[in-house]
Order: sequence, then structure tokens, then C-alpha cells
Amino acid sequence: QQQVRQSPQSLTVWEGETAILNCSYENSAFDYFPWYQQFPGEGPALLIAIRSVSDKKEDGGFTIFFNKREKNLSLHIKDSQPGDSATYFCAASDDYGGSGNKLIFGTGTLLSVKP
Amino acid sequence: AQTIHQWPVAEIKAVGSPLSLGCTIKGKSSPNLYWYWQATGGTLQQLFYSITVGQVESVVQLNLSASRPKDDQFILSTEKLLLSHSGFYLCAWSLGGNYAEQFFGPGTRLTVL
Repeated sequence: QQQVRQSPQSLTVWEGETAILNCSYENSAFDYFPWYQQFPGEGPALLIAIRSVSDKKEDGGFTIFFNKREKNLSLHIKDSQPGDSATYFCAASDDYGGSGNKLIFGTGTLLSVKP
Repeated sequence: AQTIHQWPVAEIKAVGSPLSLGCTIKGKSSPNLYWYWQATGGTLQQLFYSITVGQVESVVQLNLSASRPKDDQFILSTEKLLLSHSGFYLCAWSLGGNYAEQFFGPGTRLTVL
């Protein structure tokens, strides 16, 4: 059972457009949601994260919109550049501050930004 | 600044052979450490985590084991590789306490033939 779902599986946008990546989850106990960016052959890099007490988080050109009632969130990448082309993973944890910090990852969205 | 190093960068091994992958964190004392596995084109699955030297918790059973012999070192191993062990192995760290952000290393690509 996939606890964290992402859509679309792949997304193509033009340079300068806003890319919107979606994530939904099932476990109401999840309270921490990081997004990671991964380039081929590299480890994922933490991009931005939000806690369930907030409904929006911005950092540079990246914004997370969070809807606790609907159990979904989205990552908006403003003014997308070809260098943003990568796989983006949404993850969730219900163990924030706990001993294990178990992260459950979604299946990823492959973003391609065309010049 | 903290750095995370994984070794080897890549490994090609035969089915049934042993394996040992390593991870070292520099610049942070007493971090939480994690091992993840990622199939080609797939998602990340947490395998093990450790909050202190000598203590390792298993999250998923994949015929692998992990050990933390030193505060800054995490080892993943098996005595007998399976074809299904192929993939990308990632080590990650986080601060303890109320800090959930996990930071990943560069990974080790394992191919089992």
C-alpha cells in the first residue's frame, strides 16, 4: 500500500513557466513533509519542507501549499529553468523529533524543463 | 561544515558473494544515521536507522544487516548477495532530537550479476 502518492509521474514545462507537482497521503498522523530533488546518479538533496501546522512555505522560487483536511500538498517551482530538470520526491513522517525519523517517500515526479 | 562520504562509489558483484558498503559523516557529533535503497527509476526505501553507536534498528528485512562501529560510521553488509540487491544505496544523517531533516550522501551503485 503506497502511503504517499505523487502525480504526475512525469511533467514537461517550458522555461519560465511554473511547474506544479502534487503529493497526497493517507496517514493523518504524518506531520512533516520534505521535498527532495534528485539528479541522475546523485543522492537526493533536501529542497524545502513543511510541518502540518503550516499551510504554506516559501523558499526562493519554491513554494509548498499544504491542505491538511484534504491530505495533500503541492510543490510550485516558479520560473522553471532547464537546470531544474530532475526527479522530485515528496516524503512524509509521523515521527518528527522521535528516535527514528522514519521518512516514507512517494514514487517521484520526473520534471523536464524545455528551453 | 558537515560532509558525508560513501564507499565504494560503485560495485559489481556476483550472486552469493559478500558485500560491505560504508558511510562516514564528518563535522557532526552523534548524528542519527540511515540506510536507504533505491531501485533504478524507483522510490527510496528506508532500510535501517541508528541513533547511537552500537544500536541499529531494522525497518525493512532485505537479507541485509547494518552496524555502527563508531559515532561517525555506518556499515551495510550481507554475507550472500541476491540479484534483488541491485540498486542505489544511500546513507543519510540527521540531527537528533527535534530535527527531522535528513541529508543524503552521494550513494553507491550496486550491480549484482
